[in-house]
This record gives sequence, C-alpha cells and structure tokens, in this order.
Amino acid sequence: EAGVAQSPRYKIIEKRQSVAFWCNPISGHATLYWYQQILGQGPKLLIQFQNNGVVDDSQLPKDRFSAERLKGVDSTLKIQPAKLEDSAVYLCASSRRGGSYEQYFGPGTRLTVT
Amino acid sequence: AQSVAQPEDQVNVAEGNPLTVKCTYSVSGNPYLFWYVQYPNRGLQFLLKYITGDNLVKGSYGFEAEFNKSQTSFHLKKPSALVSDSALYFCAVRDGVNAGKSTFGDGTTLTVKP
Repeated sequence: EAGVAQSPRYKIIEKRQSVAFWCNPISGHATLYWYQQILGQGPKLLIQFQNNGVVDDSQLPKDRFSAERLKGVDSTLKIQPAKLEDSAVYLCASSRRGGSYEQYFGPGTRLTVT
Repeated sequence: AQSVAQPEDQVNVAEGNPLTVKCTYSVSGNPYLFWYVQYPNRGLQFLLKYITGDNLVKGSYGFEAEFNKSQTSFHLKKPSALVSDSALYFCAVRDGVNAGKSTFGDGTTLTVKP
C-alpha cells in the first residue's frame, strides 16, 4: 500500500511570506494529523482531522496557521505570514479511526524561514 | 493535560548487550501507548503499542515494551542490541477518551557501538 505523501520536501522562504504544504494520506485512513517538529524536540500536534471535521486544533496558532481537509482525503496546511520561529519540519500522518490505531508518517517538509 | 517524559536524551550501549529506553506518561483515563523510531533521513516508523491486555508487548525488529500502570511507565527494551538499532526513539501517548489526541516525548537517541 502507498504511504503518506507530502510535498514539497523542502521550502525556504523569507519572514512575512506565506507557504502551503500538501498531504495525501493512506487510502482509507479517516484520521489525518499535522505535526510541527522543531530540531531536538518531539512532534507537536497542530491539528487532527477525522474525515473532514476538526477533532483537535488546540495547539494551532490560528492567527497565522490554517488547515483544511476538503472531501475528507488530502489536506493543506498554510502559514501566513511566516515567522523565524516557524522553521521546523512539518509532518503529516494518518491512521484508521480511533485512538488505538498507530499513525503512519510522511517524509515531512523541512521549512526554513530567513 | 497529558504528557510524556523521556528522561534520557541519549542512551549508549554495546552491541549484544540489552538496552532500555525509558518513558513515563500522564493521561486521564486509560492510556494508549506507542513507540516510534526515526532512522537518519527517514520518516517516523511505528514500532509497537500497548492498548490493553498483557503488560509485555512485542513489536518490530525484536523490540518489546513493558507497561507498568502503577509507575505510569512504558519502557522500551531489547535483549540484544544491534548497531543497526542506532536511531532516535519517541514514546507517545494517546488519550482513549478525547478522540485519541496524541502527545509525543522529546525523543531518546540510542547509539549502539560495535
């Protein structure tokens, strides 16, 4: 089965610019996650979707970050405007519905904000 | 709020010796516990999980983990380490009540020396 796809793999932007990341989960996985992983730290959950509804976005900086999952399949995460502290790897993961299921991660997008 | 602690940033063992990577957690309700591994230049991969039942769970590549409810711990173990086990290991907890929100630890770097 195909894994979680993400694009782009790398992105360099200047502060105050905008950027968007795309994720296509494993077919049939109802739950999709976006994580931010800063160097030396564990992944931090930004937003969790179940189908096309938001389950948790308590750690999403909503003044600059937005995410959507139209039609309950692929998803986009946007940052506008970017700050220096947004430099990180952005991971997308998917899983079957329910907390007992493991997550499958994409390769991530490494964002550098200069 | 739920949390995960991995008290050791780095664990060093000799090849052939047993290894332990420690994890403690805090969560309301019954926990779902996971270990993931991240090899250099590769994405996060699922290793094993505890959902219910036997406190000793077995996973990929000969790894196992022991759930201890009284000590709120879920330590990762392997009887005989391989150089190829060298990687970054993350413990994660999911809340079985709140739609399975995930929290990751900050990771432990395991180095196995020949």
